[in-house]
Amino acid sequence: SYVLTQPPSVSVAPGQTARITCGGNNIGSKSVHWYQQKPGQAPVLVVYDDSDRPSGIPERFSGSNSGNTATLTISRVEAGDEADYYCQVWDSSSDPLYVFGTGTKVTVL
Amino acid sequence: QVQLVQSGAEVKKPGASVKVSCKVSGYTLTELSMHWVRQAPGKGLEWMGGFDPEDGETIYAQKFQGRVTMTEDTSTDTAYMELSSLRSEDTAVYYCATRAAAGFPQNFDYWGQGTLVTVSS
Repeated sequence: SYVLTQPPSVSVAPGQTARITCGGNNIGSKSVHWYQQKPGQAPVLVVYDDSDRPSGIPERFSGSNSGNTATLTISRVEAGDEADYYCQVWDSSSDPLYVFGTGTKVTVL
Repeated sequence: QVQLVQSGAEVKKPGASVKVSCKVSGYTLTELSMHWVRQAPGKGLEWMGGFDPEDGETIYAQKFQGRVTMTEDTSTDTAYMELSSLRSEDTAVYYCATRAAAGFPQNFDYWGQGTLVTVSS
């Protein structure tokens, strides 16, 4: 099955930029989606199709994808951005069809 | 706007089955491709299966084949996920999830609130 690897944790000071990576074999050939999950809550889609934002998601959230690494960038980090973040791809040739990354805990210092 | 409301928490003994429901509003279930994702305590997200609208079949992750059954009642716009032969490792929050767009979703922009299933003797 396809594997997506994320760093377990990222720490960032308020107002700075957080970058969360998602590594996978030739992930640049796939569409990558990102979710934010706060404690006790369901995940929320924050970036889809590598770099698009759903309605209501701040422009501070952006994404990129190339080669073997996709990246979620959170600019001007706020205390409310503290959460777990998961990348996800859909692969019609894989089992499972939907693969989630291992997750990254973002801590705002 | 899609709203997904799930049934309440369950406590089951090992070997038992559990059935979780997911009530849809804002859309009809026939307009959506409903999927189920679970999350063990302190762990990541794991896709279990979902409905493929292109061929009308439900696709299950191989890990759950033979133990999970996903059904839909279109008269009440309610989706169900039943997991059998429960073991302690099945203790998790179970989410229904979908995308408010036609066809097979590549991601999920609507999620239920989650249902905690605890398996304990």
